[in-house]
This record gives sequence, structure tokens and C-alpha cells, in this order.
Amino acid sequence: AQSVAQPEDQVNVAEGNPLTVKCTYSVSGNPYLFWYVQYPNRGLQFLLKYITGDNLVKGSYGFEAEFNKSQTSFHLKKPSALVSDSALYFCAVRRGRGTYKYIFGTGTRLKVLA
Amino acid sequence: GAVVSQHPSRVICKSGTSVKIECRSLDFQATTMFWYRQFPKQSLMLMATSNEGSKATYEQGVEKDKFLINHASLTLSTLTVTSAHPEDSSFYICSASSGGRYEQYFGPGTRLTVT
Repeated sequence: AQSVAQPEDQVNVAEGNPLTVKCTYSVSGNPYLFWYVQYPNRGLQFLLKYITGDNLVKGSYGFEAEFNKSQTSFHLKKPSALVSDSALYFCAVRRGRGTYKYIFGTGTRLKVLA
Repeated sequence: GAVVSQHPSRVICKSGTSVKIECRSLDFQATTMFWYRQFPKQSLMLMATSNEGSKATYEQGVEKDKFLINHASLTLSTLTVTSAHPEDSSFYICSASSGGRYEQYFGPGTRLTVT
């Protein structure tokens, strides 16, 4: 069965420092992986996806993610965090072949401290 | 591009009444729309998937007679919570995808409070 895990409920980082939000997955077949961000009382905004190709995927707002097949990970990264990056981040994996349904991780709250 | 709107953003209704939530894709045709429910400090729970012109597919444990979904056009899907009860109070989020694109685009959500 497909699954995705976000091992950290919360990540704190100082403004200007690099940030990493972790995600690991378990899928049969090729993984289709996504990152979304949610601000308070809002829907989710698409940041980036990995379908195929380069392992380093660049997305919106300066975020990037590295697909690591051997470690079954898809960690979200940003070289220099902003206070405005503080939000809830969700990793998602496609539920299976031929479907657009997702399985979402439990979310990681990122807090960037000024 | 890829903007999804939801209306209303907040609604308060009395127990026993029905509430309709609209989800619209504003600048693309959504072949598939999804409805999620999000509890406080929790992840999103998929309720149902709908394709334009066909019946929605509900996830296990979701009452199809209580949560009526209509996807009448490529830009509009509606979720009607029938005979709402306080336990239906939640944050409801829709998303849309178009053929060939695997990412979903989410609406801003609707906060439903049943009193």
C-alpha cells in the first residue's frame, strides 16, 4: 500500500538559515510526489512535484525538493528561510497507478523565527 | 493560472438544515474534482472524487446520502451537506485537476459550523 510519512510535527528554524522538512514514502511502482503549503484557514498551495527526471526539483517561492530513491525520501528544502515561510507543509504521494488521488502526510508545521 | 475558488468561505447553519458549498475552477477545465475534510491540526481526509458528468466516488466510511456531490460542468462541483449536525462542523476543501496534470489545485476552503 502507498504511504507517506512526515516524521516531524514541527520544525523551528532561524530566519536566514536553511530549512529542511522531511518526507519519506512507500510506494509500489514509480512514485509521484508532491509538496503543498497551507497558511492558516486557507486551502493548500502547490509548491512542487516529482514525476520523473532530475532528482532535484525546483518549485515556487524558492523551495526545492530532492528525490532520493535509495532512501525513499523527498525532503523539502530552502537555502534561506523567511518568516513568511511559517506555515503547515504537506507531502503527498499519488495513491496508485491511473489515479489522481493523493495520500497526504500528517503535515509539518514550520516556524521561522526572526 | 490554476485558480480554484470556493463559496462560501464561512457558513454557520442550524442543526437539521442543509448547506451547499460551491467549488469552481476559474481558469482551467477540471476533469476531476476532489472534496476533502480537514479537522483541526490534522491532515486532509479525502471524502469523494467526482468527474464531470458522472456520479461521485465516495471513500469508505463517507455517507453518500449525507454528502451529496454534483459535478455538473468542467468548472463547477458542489458539495451539499444534508441534515447537518454539529459533528459535521469542519473545514471543507475542494481541489481540481485537469487531464494529464497530476497536481491538484486547491480552493481556499469553507469553514462550516453547525449549531
